[in-house]
Amino acid sequence: GEQVEQRPPHLSVREGDSAIIICTYTDSATAYFSWYKQEAGAGLQLLMSVLSNVDRKEEQGLTVLLNKKDKRLSLNLTAAHPGDSAVYFCAVNTNAYKVIFGKGTHLHVLP
Amino acid sequence: EAAVTQSPRSKVAVTGGKVTLSCHQTNNHDYMYWYRQDTGHGLRLIHYSYVADSTEKGDIPDGYKASRPSQENFSLILELASLSQTAVYFCASSAGTGAQDTQYFGPGTRLLVL
Repeated sequence: GEQVEQRPPHLSVREGDSAIIICTYTDSATAYFSWYKQEAGAGLQLLMSVLSNVDRKEEQGLTVLLNKKDKRLSLNLTAAHPGDSAVYFCAVNTNAYKVIFGKGTHLHVLP
Repeated sequence: EAAVTQSPRSKVAVTGGKVTLSCHQTNNHDYMYWYRQDTGHGLRLIHYSYVADSTEKGDIPDGYKASRPSQENFSLILELASLSQTAVYFCASSAGTGAQDTQYFGPGTRLLVL
């Protein structure tokens, strides 16, 4: 079945720097990709989703890139600030109830 | 905006006891899910449901039962709680069957089994 690897598990950056998180997946039939943010003690908040026919999507300081050839999905926070400190998860799915999550990246943005 | 609530937000249970976690959504969504989150494992699907009075097994259903008495409510039941079931549990809902139907998550229930 589908497997998802997310890296790095921990990431520290300075305020204003970029933070990049990468996920790789195995199933070329994967149709939909999402990034979630989890703040301490909270549930998962959807940041952005892309269909498999989209290579790049930008919203509010976030850029999602999808490389279908390499089966790689990335999230780039272009100018991180301390409020971005959280755990980030990628999620890939071929249908609504078969969603595979990455293991998460703990992002720490230093002021 | 989509709204999923869970109760309780935290619970301490004894080994062998029965635990019921509740989830309520006001999104009018057909699909509901229960996940558990463990450090180093991300989220794993326990049970899901796409219609009231029916539930389906997810990837790790052993030791758990689920109940969907109405479209809005979905419960996770641990008949005989065990130490290994200490985790954070998340409920989610989504609208339909398409891959692009986003899942909306509740705030989670932190369960400690002693």
